[in-house]
Amino acid sequence: DVKVTQSSRYLVKRTGEKVFLECVQDMDHENMFWYRQDPGLGLRLIYFSYDVKMKEKGDIPEGYSVSREKKERFSLILESASTNQTSMYLCASSLTGGRLYEQYFGPGTRLTVT
Amino acid sequence: GDSVTQMEGPVTLSEEAFLTINCTYTATGYPSLFWYVQYPGEGLQLLLKATKADDKGSNKGFEATYRKETTSFHLEKGSVQVSDSAVYFCALGQSGGYQKVTFGTGTKLQVIP
Repeated sequence: DVKVTQSSRYLVKRTGEKVFLECVQDMDHENMFWYRQDPGLGLRLIYFSYDVKMKEKGDIPEGYSVSREKKERFSLILESASTNQTSMYLCASSLTGGRLYEQYFGPGTRLTVT
Repeated sequence: GDSVTQMEGPVTLSEEAFLTINCTYTATGYPSLFWYVQYPGEGLQLLLKATKADDKGSNKGFEATYRKETTSFHLEKGSVQVSDSAVYFCALGQSGGYQKVTFGTGTKLQVIP
């Protein structure tokens, strides 16, 4: 079974702190994604990566950056956390190829910025 | 751009009731369609999918049919159980490219005994 793990289930940070969210997948997937989930807004794509050191902006990249130094690991960085970044953050991964493959999700990190 | 619209929740049903959660989409070409489910405290997991018009996806008693003429992919189950309580997300994706998937806003289902 594909396993996607996230470094923390719950995180509390102060405004202005630099925050790192880590995601690791164990199935050699090429694609990795970071979403944030907010009530009434569903999932919104922040960034995705289709290969090591490659990244693409999603729909809401402002205030975030990412890093993918190894195939299995995709990090989301909040350069200077703000209260409007309080949210549930979900990581996902998928295979690449000619057809669309399902995305496998981690359990999520609930981040609170105070 | 691509978009997915699903019915507002929450939906509250009694056990053994019939479930329908509506989903419509806007997309170019021939997208694949998905239903994902999120149980409390967990990430999303794929429930079912359909890759072309008139395909029916099914899993765990849930079904959805890809209707291109009405751009819809409604989720149905004949008899819900308390264990089906979760948030359900309709989604679409385009093959090729970078495998991006567009999600709806989610519909929370609560089943009461």
